Amino acid sequence: EAGVVQSPRYKIIEKKQPVAFWCNPISGHNTLYWYLQNLGQGPELLIRYENEEAVDDSQLPKDRFSAERLKGVDSTLKIQPAELGDSAVYLCASSLEWGSNTGELFFGEGSRLTVL
Amino acid sequence: SQQGEEDPQALSIQEGENATMNCSYKTSINNLQWYRQNSGRGLVHLILIRSNEREKHSGRLRVTLDTSKKSSSLLITASRAADTASYFCATSPSGTYKYIFGTGTRLKVLA
Repeated sequence: EAGVVQSPRYKIIEKKQPVAFWCNPISGHNTLYWYLQNLGQGPELLIRYENEEAVDDSQLPKDRFSAERLKGVDSTLKIQPAELGDSAVYLCASSLEWGSNTGELFFGEGSRLTVL
Repeated sequence: SQQGEEDPQALSIQEGENATMNCSYKTSINNLQWYRQNSGRGLVHLILIRSNEREKHSGRLRVTLDTSKKSSSLLITASRAADTASYFCATSPSGTYKYIFGTGTRLKVLA
């Protein structure tokens, strides 16, 4: 069974340019998360989806960040325009519905963004 | 914001030794998980302990939870070079449906 797939793995852009990251969760996982991880830090939640509904986007900087999860499967995270401080790894994770026995999050390999 | 803090921030041990890392958190929780992250990779789930549990084992891993002290520890016994990674605790605060990760412990196991 395929794990969580993210693309691109690496992206280098100039500041003020737009960038988009794509995530395909594990089949059957209703919950999808986007996390941001700065170097040497733990992941910080940006947004959580239950199916196609964004149920927690309180940490998403909505002036420049947007996300969507059409049809409750794939998801895209966009930054426009990117700033130098957005350089980080963007991690996507998925899980079975909340309250499942394991509560385990399955992570993709991440998309490393460098803003010059 | 990060709910948990791991201690120590970095740990270097010899192969075969035990490694202990601690996690402290701020609010009451539903459960707590530990994850491992190899350099440049995603996080991998290790173990989950619920708020009504005090200790769990999985292979060479032993996790304890003390809700009165709001702390957890992860013990890796008989460490191997392949255990070299960063380890994160993730807490699910009571009344929420999210996981908040700590700052991580960077473990280096020397062969």
